Amino acid sequence: RKEVEQDPGPFNVPEGATVAFNCTYSNSASQSFFWYRQDCRKEPKLLMSVYSSGNEDGRFTAQLNRASQYISLLIRDSKLSDSATYLCVVRKNTNAGKSTFGDGTTLTVKP
Amino acid sequence: DGGITQSPKYLFRKEGQNVTLSCEQNLNHDAMYWYRQDPGQGLRLIYYSQIVNDFQKGDIAEGYSVSREKKESFPLTVTSAQKNPTAFYLCASSDRTRDQPQHFGDGTRLSIL
Repeated sequence: RKEVEQDPGPFNVPEGATVAFNCTYSNSASQSFFWYRQDCRKEPKLLMSVYSSGNEDGRFTAQLNRASQYISLLIRDSKLSDSATYLCVVRKNTNAGKSTFGDGTTLTVKP
Repeated sequence: DGGITQSPKYLFRKEGQNVTLSCEQNLNHDAMYWYRQDPGQGLRLIYYSQIVNDFQKGDIAEGYSVSREKKESFPLTVTSAQKNPTAFYLCASSDRTRDQPQHFGDGTRLSIL
């Protein structure tokens, strides 16, 4: 079993739709969580950190469920420009900052 | 502007040749990382360094080597022992403070001639 698992998709949604991605992690010692966005043939870029109480940044909401060991990303009112691969990242801070990346979930937003 | 610079953007390797990928950052970050990404796959950690003159193997270190002589620089050498080097190589850095995310350079695409 992979340490970090994501549904690869692809998720194909119309503009304006709400879409949610989940990411599960296996190590209960994990301490820090992030969502990155990666466009085709580009480097990953930080979308948002995920805090224990949940957090929101505009149309994006991230949540953490430590009991069930998963994090989620909700995108409201999808835009064409949201089309990308979304990477879930989990880090055990006791392991000197080594992070584990999920394989990503691909989102395509269509007109 | 502060950031991470990787060079070259594209690199071709001949059989039996070692090649070195450059990664420089001016973010004053202590930690630096090298990842490999194959088409349609996630990122896999090659090596990482938390401090100057120290580095650790990641999950796929065989066939690669690194050095960390300066805080700003973390070059990666792809040796001839790496039999399948064609991939997208990404360098990242982060502050060692807890909960700080990694920031990436724009990558180097390596292919075999």
